[in-house]
Amino acid sequence: EDKVVQSPLSLVVHEGDTVTLNCSYEVTNFRSLLWYKQEKKAPTFLFMLTSSGIEKKSGRLSSILDKKELFSILNITATQTGDSAIYLCAVEAGYTGFQKLVFGTGTRLLVSP
Amino acid sequence: NAGVTQTPKFQVLKTGQSMTLQCAQDMNHNSMYWYRQDPGMGLRLIYYSASEGTTDKGEVPNGYNVSRLNKREFSLRLESAAPSQTSVYFCASSITSNQPQHFGDGTRLSIL
Repeated sequence: EDKVVQSPLSLVVHEGDTVTLNCSYEVTNFRSLLWYKQEKKAPTFLFMLTSSGIEKKSGRLSSILDKKELFSILNITATQTGDSAIYLCAVEAGYTGFQKLVFGTGTRLLVSP
Repeated sequence: NAGVTQTPKFQVLKTGQSMTLQCAQDMNHNSMYWYRQDPGMGLRLIYYSASEGTTDKGEVPNGYNVSRLNKREFSLRLESAAPSQTSVYFCASSITSNQPQHFGDGTRLSIL
């Protein structure tokens, strides 16, 4: 059974701290790994990773994938209160035809002022 | 930029009632999806539509039906609601199945 596990489940940090969120997976025929940020409503897309070792960066957020060890990390530097959200990791997997996403349960991040 | 629009935003039903959740996207995406999100369970795929005219079951399809009305619209129907279907329902769309999905704001559904 395809599985995506995120850790920690929740995290509280102070503004300005750096955080690392983890995502490990066990799936059949990995295609890609995606990170989403979910505030009050819709998950919003952050990154899509397909190759090992290539860092994707957007402002203070960055992410990298290790396909050998089957995990990804999401780093947030100089955290701000606006970074408070649930961060979702999802893996696209499957053989031919339609690839579906398998989601982890998320990491709830709270950044205190 | 409307993106993915879901209606209604909130709904309370009694057990056994039926209802349809509506979803429309204005991004000319081919693929559309329905998920449910429950505490501690993550997002789980109910049904998807790879392209206009096709639909298929996801991970948790029991108790639901879908209709891909046209390229823009994908509706989810609960024929006889049960308390176990209390959840937040998200619709999503993507250009094709291997591209990032864009989500609507969700429908919070409570079944008493």
